[in-house]
Amino acid sequence: GAGVSQSPSNKVTEKGKDVELRCDPISGHTALYWYRQSLGQGLEFLIYFQGNSAPDKSGLPSDRFSAERTGGSVSTLTIQRTQQEDSAVYLCASSVGFGGDTQYFGPGTRLTVL
Amino acid sequence: GENVEQHPSTLSVQEGDSAVIKCTYSDSASNYFPWYKQELGKRPQLIIDIRSNVGEKKDQRIAVTLNKTAKHFSLHITETQPEDSAVYFCAATTGNQFYFGTGTSLTVIP
Repeated sequence: GAGVSQSPSNKVTEKGKDVELRCDPISGHTALYWYRQSLGQGLEFLIYFQGNSAPDKSGLPSDRFSAERTGGSVSTLTIQRTQQEDSAVYLCASSVGFGGDTQYFGPGTRLTVL
Repeated sequence: GENVEQHPSTLSVQEGDSAVIKCTYSDSASNYFPWYKQELGKRPQLIIDIRSNVGEKKDQRIAVTLNKTAKHFSLHITETQPEDSAVYFCAATTGNQFYFGTGTSLTVIP
């Protein structure tokens, strides 16, 4: 079946511009996660959704980052006034539920801020 | 919050030898420990996982052990092959947030 998809696959933007990254989870998955992976680094947890709700936003790096999820499906991660340090691969993952269900990752969006 | 540490950061082994990667965690409430393999330029893929009510789990050449008392878990790969070369991440969760280790870059030398 279809896996987690993300768009765009690559995004190059100028410093100060806003960007919107999209994640389409596996159908029926109630849990959705966003991570950031800088070059050669591990996975930095950003935020997770239970349905459309994000109980804990403390992982977001700054108030320039926001995320939403609608209809228990698609999620968007928005970065306002992008900075060069925002350059990274942004990964989305989904799982059936919580309590340690397997996470399936999307291919990621590579963001480059010039 | 949870803190996951992973060692070593890089590991080189000869083909056919075994590889062991170790992770420690800090939150005793963590109850699920997955391992992911990430090949260059690709997404992380789950290779094996273990829950806190189990001490060991094996899947062909891959095994994971968990010591809840010491709060550490390890990935064991036997009879390594060149295609095992990748970055491996451990993770721990209490059920909501996942905390990942910093990764181990494994190179299997033919």
